[in-house]
Amino acid sequence: AQKITQTQPGMFVQEKEAVTLDCTYDTSDPSYGLFWYKQPSSGEMIFLIYQGSYDQQNATEGRYSLNFQKARKSANLVISASQLGDSAMYFCAMRGGGSNYKLTFGKGTLLTVNP
Amino acid sequence: EADIYQTPRYLVIGTGKKITLECSQTMGHDKMYWYQQDPGMELHLIHYSYGVNSTEKGDLSSESTVSRIRTEHFPLTLESARPSHTSQYLCASSERGTLPRETQYFGPGTRLLVL
Repeated sequence: AQKITQTQPGMFVQEKEAVTLDCTYDTSDPSYGLFWYKQPSSGEMIFLIYQGSYDQQNATEGRYSLNFQKARKSANLVISASQLGDSAMYFCAMRGGGSNYKLTFGKGTLLTVNP
Repeated sequence: EADIYQTPRYLVIGTGKKITLECSQTMGHDKMYWYQQDPGMELHLIHYSYGVNSTEKGDLSSESTVSRIRTEHFPLTLESARPSHTSQYLCASSERGTLPRETQYFGPGTRLLVL
């Protein structure tokens, strides 16, 4: 069974500062993928970044980077230079290598960026 | 950028009515999914499809049904809506690719309120 834990129900950050959103996972699959999605108040889910369990380097996509610590089973999202438009729910998700459809989602973290 | 559409975006309907939530994608993706999400909560998979004439139930039991007659279209139907069906319904699609990397792209969602 796979499990995603996001322990921060809500986070606040000042505009232009960096923020880290925590995600820990549990799986018995040796091969797996980790995803982060952003969900604004409008409701759509926006794919942000992906990290594979065998990737040698931490993933980066613009202002988003993933702090992947395999031994600790953590995949924290780092947002640099926060913007007001970053205010949203953020979901961590994973898929095991043996599962060809299922994404398991965490409960999410609500990020609020203050001006 | 994903091109996946859902209609209606918002629906308020009385108990006992039959409803169909539409989902279409223009990317030619083989795989499509329906998720249910209560406010502020994680997503739960209720249906998925690997291709035309393929449909399967997801992890969360749902009274809804789906069909996949065309690659681009994956409608969800509730024969008799009840207040317990009030939720947000998110449709997603993915291109058959190398697991676990395969990324799901989401539509804007339908917010359903059953009175």
